[in-house]
Amino acid sequence: NAGVMQNPRHLVRRRGQEARLRCSPMKGHSHVYWYRQLPEEGLKFMVYLQKENIIDESGMPKERFSAEFPKEGPSILRIQQVVRGDSAAYFCASSPKGDSQYFGPGTRLTVL
Amino acid sequence: AQSVTQLDSQVPVFEEAPVELRCNYSSSVSVYLFWYVQYPNQGLQLLLKYLSGSTLVESINGFEAEFNKSQTSFHLRKPSVHISDTAEYFCAVSAVGGNDMRFGAGTRLTVKP
Repeated sequence: NAGVMQNPRHLVRRRGQEARLRCSPMKGHSHVYWYRQLPEEGLKFMVYLQKENIIDESGMPKERFSAEFPKEGPSILRIQQVVRGDSAAYFCASSPKGDSQYFGPGTRLTVL
Repeated sequence: AQSVTQLDSQVPVFEEAPVELRCNYSSSVSVYLFWYVQYPNQGLQLLLKYLSGSTLVESINGFEAEFNKSQTSFHLRKPSVHISDTAEYFCAVSAVGGNDMRFGAGTRLTVKP
């Protein structure tokens, strides 16, 4: 059973471009979470999704950020018109039923 | 909502010394508690968790944590650390039946020879 997969592992974007981060949960897991980790800081919850539904997006910035978890395919975290402050590591986690979460290796976004 | 406080941002210790990483939580409802470890440039790995039952939980690599409801704590301990234990450790809490998890700011454990 493969673990949580995230791609790309590293992503470089210029200011104003779009960033798309993908997360494939573990097989059988229908709960997906996205977190952001800024340098020298802990993890900040962004959004919690189940298949085709956003359950809790209280940690998502109100603008430029969106997330989806379609019926087929990976979960996508999309950042439009990136700014330097978006540079961070973005982690995805999955869970079979909403308790223990298993993390992917993360995507490190660098905005030039 | 739940919250977690990790009292020490950095803990330096010598190899084979004991260590305790402190974690306190706040919640108005019953909780699950977790410790995760993050090695450099990697994702988080679940180290151990408390869901119910025995308040003392152990990991396979010698760490243990004890859930203390009266003190709202879930401190992580190891009697003798190794160089390879050098990493960032995160305490996390979620409400029983809840949807999300809240993490502490992390404690960087550095084990010196």
